[in-house]
Amino acid sequence: SQTIHQWPATLVQPVGSPLSLECTVEGTSNPNLYWYRQAAGRGLQLLFYSVGIGQISSEVPQNLSASRPQDRQFILSSKKLLLSDSGFYLCAWSVPQASTNEKLFFGSGTQLSVL
Amino acid sequence: AQKITQTQPGMFVQEKEAVTLDCTYDTSDPSYGLFWYKQPSSGEMIFLIYQGSYDQQNATEGRYSLNFQKARKSANLVISASQLGDSAMYFCAMRAWDSNYQLIWGAGTKLIIKP
Repeated sequence: SQTIHQWPATLVQPVGSPLSLECTVEGTSNPNLYWYRQAAGRGLQLLFYSVGIGQISSEVPQNLSASRPQDRQFILSSKKLLLSDSGFYLCAWSVPQASTNEKLFFGSGTQLSVL
Repeated sequence: AQKITQTQPGMFVQEKEAVTLDCTYDTSDPSYGLFWYKQPSSGEMIFLIYQGSYDQQNATEGRYSLNFQKARKSANLVISASQLGDSAMYFCAMRAWDSNYQLIWGAGTKLIIKP
């Protein structure tokens, strides 16, 4: 069966420090991969998605970047964190179907606090 | 433009009662899919149920059913015989061709089940 691992679960970082969040998927090949951010009590905002190794699409211009160095690995990074980068970050994967019934499966999330 | 509206920020329901969570959507695409996700306090997003725009019957998954009213553009989630473990945030989402198959999310409804 497929599983998704996301770490760390919690992270407290000072303003201006770098960031690296990692997500890996097991049990599937060539998944679509996603990074979402969720502000407290709010809905999900799509940050990046990837349809293959090295292929990254950015949905929101910001202080963050994403990379996909391997088929089932997705990394969210920042060179210098801002206070506004605080939030709950969720990684997700899907089986590419290019249709309306493509379901997303999520990791357990990372709570990032920038102080 | 595509849009998902969840008008209930929060709901209190007595245990064992049925609960309906509202979701209305807007799209000009005749082909679309509607999803409901549950987010417990642990943070992970859990897929609950899917309804395609061309599906003839309302979707059901165990205690979850989707009351799909296409003409009214509503896709309400019905939870029968609510349990304490149903307390969570619930998100409605839509995927359509004219959103490049990216999920459009509602703001969510916080459901609290009272014992």
